[in-house]
Amino acid sequence: SAVISQKPSRDICQRGTSLTIQCQVDSQVTMMFWYRQQPGQSLTLIATANQGSEATYESGFVIDKFPISRPNLTFSTLTVSNMSPEDSSIYLCSVQRTVMNTEAFFGQGTRLTVV
Amino acid sequence: GQQVMQIPQYQHVQEGEDFTTYCNSSTTLSNIQWYKQRPGGHPVFLIQLVKSGEVKKQKRLTFQFGEAKKNSSLHITATQTTDVGTYFCAGKTQGGSEKLVFGKGMKLTVNP
Repeated sequence: SAVISQKPSRDICQRGTSLTIQCQVDSQVTMMFWYRQQPGQSLTLIATANQGSEATYESGFVIDKFPISRPNLTFSTLTVSNMSPEDSSIYLCSVQRTVMNTEAFFGQGTRLTVV
Repeated sequence: GQQVMQIPQYQHVQEGEDFTTYCNSSTTLSNIQWYKQRPGGHPVFLIQLVKSGEVKKQKRLTFQFGEAKKNSSLHITATQTTDVGTYFCAGKTQGGSEKLVFGKGMKLTVNP
């Protein structure tokens, strides 16, 4: 398994501000992903965090709104920029160890409330 | 794009009952995975199925992958209150990217 530390666990933010969420893994992993989950809903993939290059975003998500960094194989950040109440959600970091081992491990999640 | 559908979305059972939930993909999958998310928690990996027709068991949980690798089922026998949570299936497309596509989930509640 992989141990994932995701910070912060929750935050209440003012609209128009930005929040950066950190994801630290206890060992090197090939794949890192960021998901959004509305309460009681499924997981929606925001982007794949690529080491040393720009993240790969899913339809409906753009880099200006959700800039992602991945400087190495154990760490990634997701920033939610210029927040509005519609951004209130749970944000989850997920990792897969290797390309062949596709079992996904999730961080504890960041519960974001925008007021 | 690829879609993964789960039915039912909600299931309420009496403790001790059996039930089955189903997962259907619009495309052929290289593998399918099942996750459980307890209320207030994060998704936790349960199982991965890779081979056509594969069946795997974990105690009271039985997972099956369809022959065409486009559907899967999770059967729970003698449901317990500890089974409460949302069960997600997630599929990885054959020859596609490494990302998983999650179903909408099946929320299970158990009446003790």
